[in-house]
Amino acid sequence: ETGVTQSPTHLIKTRGQQVTLRCSSQSGHNTVSWYQQALGQGPQFIFQYYREEENGRGNFPPRFSGLQFPNYSSELNVNALELDDSALYLCASSTGQMNTEAFFGQGTRLTVV
Amino acid sequence: AQSVTQLGSHVSVSEGALVLLRCNYSSSVPPYLFWYVQYPNQGLQLLLKYTSAATLVKGINGFEAEFKKSETSFHLTKPSAHMSDAAEYFCAKAEGSTLGRLYFGRGTQLTVWP
Repeated sequence: ETGVTQSPTHLIKTRGQQVTLRCSSQSGHNTVSWYQQALGQGPQFIFQYYREEENGRGNFPPRFSGLQFPNYSSELNVNALELDDSALYLCASSTGQMNTEAFFGQGTRLTVV
Repeated sequence: AQSVTQLGSHVSVSEGALVLLRCNYSSSVPPYLFWYVQYPNQGLQLLLKYTSAATLVKGINGFEAEFKKSETSFHLTKPSAHMSDAAEYFCAKAEGSTLGRLYFGRGTQLTVWP
């Protein structure tokens, strides 16, 4: 079991609503990445935070936004939810150094109805 | 373009048989390559990683993978499948100077028959 925890584990929202997902990174890790995994697909990179600054973004619209806090925990916010946003959202933490791995949390299953 | 291709979305083997899951990548620079396993309703667990050291990489649970630059491949193998190996397997590539930013293939679902 990794030290990366995500909350909540499951969430149901209505189209048009806003949602906030949370991730606590592993001790000693200053880098958090967020991924969206749609059903039957591989995880897709949303963005990464390094020492509280956004450090790269994937092909996701601006309604996907994030934050990283001084303790390196992170939030993913999604505004104006669409049905296609239904997915497993994964958080991964790492040291951001070469030759180190990213540790994944269990994910948050978001269902938009 | 960044890409990882996993050939075969489903692979079925008998218990005790060889497991071979295929992964090809494209990259303009030497890549860092990974295999992750995902059990139902869980996150991803790292099986093994290639970070430009030995081309044959050994991982957990008896899995190994060989980096072949000439073939741009990083196939995952296990000599003898076990029922507990049934899961989804993802090949991934790292970009740039941090290993936290990964590009994943679409995954291969491994079924193991008794």
